[in-house]
Amino acid sequence: GAVVSQHPSWVICKSGTSVKIECRSLDFQATTMFWYRQFPKQSLMLMATSNEGSKATYEQGVEKDKFLINHASLTLSTLTVTSAHPEDSSFYICSAAGQGTEAFFGQGTRLTVV
Amino acid sequence: AQSVTQLGSHVSVSEGALVLLRCNYSSSVPPYLFWYVQYPNQGLQLLLKYTSAATLVKGINGFEAEFKKSETSFHLTKPSAHMSDAAEYFCAVSEGFQKLVFGTGTRLLVSP
Repeated sequence: GAVVSQHPSWVICKSGTSVKIECRSLDFQATTMFWYRQFPKQSLMLMATSNEGSKATYEQGVEKDKFLINHASLTLSTLTVTSAHPEDSSFYICSAAGQGTEAFFGQGTRLTVV
Repeated sequence: AQSVTQLGSHVSVSEGALVLLRCNYSSSVPPYLFWYVQYPNQGLQLLLKYTSAATLVKGINGFEAEFKKSETSFHLTKPSAHMSDAAEYFCAVSEGFQKLVFGTGTRLLVSP
């Protein structure tokens, strides 16, 4: 299957700082990327959908000014958690899909805000 | 709106025993259905998917699932559990094959 690389795999940041997570499709062009959030021992919740070159579509209840998503190329999307707080600590997972294909998942990023 | 219900947050089996993880879905359109496995602090690995072809879907690692429209179910089975099967399993439904709605997950515990 196609490969989606997410970086970093884990990050610790101080409260009030911002952190950027990258999601790359290594061997295909990802027209659409999805960002999910997973709290400990819980399921994955979709945060937003991004199409290359367009603004991301956020799910209800997700603060777009806090979780900035950029999908500037067909192989890269970034999620920036701005002014992070301890409650933002979570596991973030991206998935990427080509035109008409299924979505492939990255390996996830464990964010800890201290 | 689509939704998925996974019955049982934990399932315990002995090594060599049958694995049965339950998933029921709700969808107003013909669904795509998926089973994923997640190991601690890792991403999701696709086990199998149903895309309106054969109702019995075979996946990796000996897993299979059967789509039953009349029961709105897509239960995951494996004839003989291995210790390495211990993980979290997620059932997911999709309308458009890409944007997924996940169930709450089932943790599979395998004892020697």
